[in-house]
Amino acid sequence: DAGVIQSPRHEVTEMGQEVTLRCKPISGHDYLFWYRQTMMRGLELLIYFNNNVPIDDSGMPEDRFSAKMPNASFSTLKIQPSEPRDSAVYFCASSFPRGVFNEQFFGPGTRLTVL
Amino acid sequence: AQKVTQAQTEISVVEKEDVTLDCVYETRDTTYYLFWYKQPPSGELVFLIRRNSFDEQNEISGRYSWNFQKSTSSFNFTITASQVVDSAVYFCALSLGGSQGNLIFGKGTKLSVKP
Repeated sequence: DAGVIQSPRHEVTEMGQEVTLRCKPISGHDYLFWYRQTMMRGLELLIYFNNNVPIDDSGMPEDRFSAKMPNASFSTLKIQPSEPRDSAVYFCASSFPRGVFNEQFFGPGTRLTVL
Repeated sequence: AQKVTQAQTEISVVEKEDVTLDCVYETRDTTYYLFWYKQPPSGELVFLIRRNSFDEQNEISGRYSWNFQKSTSSFNFTITASQVVDSAVYFCALSLGGSQGNLIFGKGTKLSVKP
């Protein structure tokens, strides 16, 4: 089975440009999560979806960030305009709840560098 | 407030030594879940174990073992006879019962196993 797929794996862009990160969750998983990892703040949840509906976006840092999940097999995280402080590794994860809570399976991450 | 503390920022051991990674959590909820994830140098996050708050049994999986003690709010992870391939950053995480998305990570412990 394919795991969570993220693209691109690396992205280098200049300040002010729009950046779009993509994620394909594991088939059958109905929860999808976006995380950001930085040295200073560690791993932070940005937003998560259940059945394609955003449930909690309180972790989204500001209006420059937006996320969508148009269908069960695809999600995007967009930053517009990007800033150097957005440089981080962005992870997508998915889960399928068997009980009250289930483990999240993470993608390989997208390393974003904003110059 | 919920919090996960991994006091050990970095640990260095020689191959075949045993090593314990500490994790202390804070929550007032009675139902919660604890996790350990491994992040090898390649960057992906690998799920290791999930434990719910009602199950204090210790668990052993090969060279890995976990000690969950509610009395001290700790969920420690021990690697027996460490190997170079165990070198990674290990994250402890907490989630509250009924909340699929609220996965709170510790800052991680970087383990280096030298030959």
